[in-house]
Amino acid sequence: GAGVSQSPSNKVTEKGKDVELRCDPISGHTALYWYRQSLGQGLEFLIYFQGNSAPDKSGLPSDRFSAERTGGSVSTLTIQRTQQEDSAVYLCASSLAAIGGAGSPLHFGNGTRLTVT
Amino acid sequence: AQSVAQPEDQVNVAEGNPLTVKCTYSVSGNPYLFWYVQYPNRGLQFLLKYITGDNLVKGSYGFEAEFNKSQTSFHLKKPSALVSDSALYFCAVSAYAGKSTFGDGTTLTVKP
Repeated sequence: GAGVSQSPSNKVTEKGKDVELRCDPISGHTALYWYRQSLGQGLEFLIYFQGNSAPDKSGLPSDRFSAERTGGSVSTLTIQRTQQEDSAVYLCASSLAAIGGAGSPLHFGNGTRLTVT
Repeated sequence: AQSVAQPEDQVNVAEGNPLTVKCTYSVSGNPYLFWYVQYPNRGLQFLLKYITGDNLVKGSYGFEAEFNKSQTSFHLKKPSALVSDSALYFCAVSAYAGKSTFGDGTTLTVKP
């Protein structure tokens, strides 16, 4: 079966433009995460979707960032009016974890490398 | 709130020597603990997990980790390090509600 797929793999954009990053999780995975990683550093949590529950948006760094997950599957992370400090690798992960099923590991995509010029 | 601490940003070992990458955690209830590895220019991969049972868990590539409830630790170990083990290692914890929290990562360098 296919793993987590992210597109595009690379995105170069000009400061002030909006970008959309896409994540296709593994089929049947109820949990979906977005993280940001700068130059091989740690993982910065952005947002967490779990089934039909309201998403945990506590990691979004500003109101320029938003994400949605349609039909419990594909997710899109949108960054409006991009800034140079938004440059990073954006990672998506999915897992089978549901309430009571927290023992499932995360499966990560290869990420989208965003460069804001 | 749950949290993970990886106290060492960098661990250096010689090839053939044992290695330990440290992790401590804080969580309400029973912890579910994970190690992930990120090789240079590659994605994050699951390495091993502790859910319940034996405190010593074995994973991929000869790695193992020991769960210590009293010390709230889950250190990653390998008896004999390889140069190819050089990578960035992340410890993570989740609880009943499922959300995973990651540590800041530890860069392991194994020198020949």
